[in-house]
Amino acid sequence: QVQLQESGPGLVKPSETLSLTCTVSGGSINSYYWSWIRQPPGKGLEWIGYIYYYGSTNYNPSLKSRVTISLDTSKKQFSLKLSSVTAADTAIYYCTRSSRYNGDFLGWFDPWGQGTLVTVPS
Amino acid sequence: DIVVTQSPDSLAVSLGERATINCKSSQSVLYSSNNKNYLAWYQQKPGQPPKLLFYWASTRESGVPDRFSGSGSGTDFTLTISSLQADDVAVYYCQQYYRTPPTFGPGTKVDIK
Repeated sequence: QVQLQESGPGLVKPSETLSLTCTVSGGSINSYYWSWIRQPPGKGLEWIGYIYYYGSTNYNPSLKSRVTISLDTSKKQFSLKLSSVTAADTAIYYCTRSSRYNGDFLGWFDPWGQGTLVTVPS
Repeated sequence: DIVVTQSPDSLAVSLGERATINCKSSQSVLYSSNNKNYLAWYQQKPGQPPKLLFYWASTRESGVPDRFSGSGSGTDFTLTISSLQADDVAVYYCQQYYRTPPTFGPGTKVDIK
């Protein structure tokens, strides 16, 4: 059974770059889309973007100018970088998986990592 | 972006009673070529990540109890818990994946009355 685990600093200073890594275990990284989703404390869910195992990416336009998602298939890890962070980027960050359907991104998400809280002080 | 709304914001239901959550998308998420609705439902308990309950609007994920059902088409969808159990206390989210970016509803909190 595939499991995902996020890791990275829990505190990032304003204007710096948030960096997180998701490690995939118990299954292949191939043939799937790997996404980051965030949830501000007590609020709803926002999709940040995905990377396909071939390396192609797609980002939420609301964050596109600040986001980079990369993949290391040899380590079965994918990573998120979010630049120029502010307090509004404080959230629980989840990594998750999606499948492919008819040659395209099939955007329901399962499974999810446990999430990691990243705080950007104001 | 497709905007997804949910109603009510919260509801409290007695144990064993029915709970109904509504979800509405700002445009149809029914793909005519395959007649599938690109909508998913999730359950999120406190301190946990969301858990997938349904995809294609009404296809139950493996292991989800059959007291949960998903229905609807086009722009209007419903998640029903036929007989609420204590373990069902959670926030429920619907999400469209018809268009990128995938977008979530704001969530509906379900509690015990």
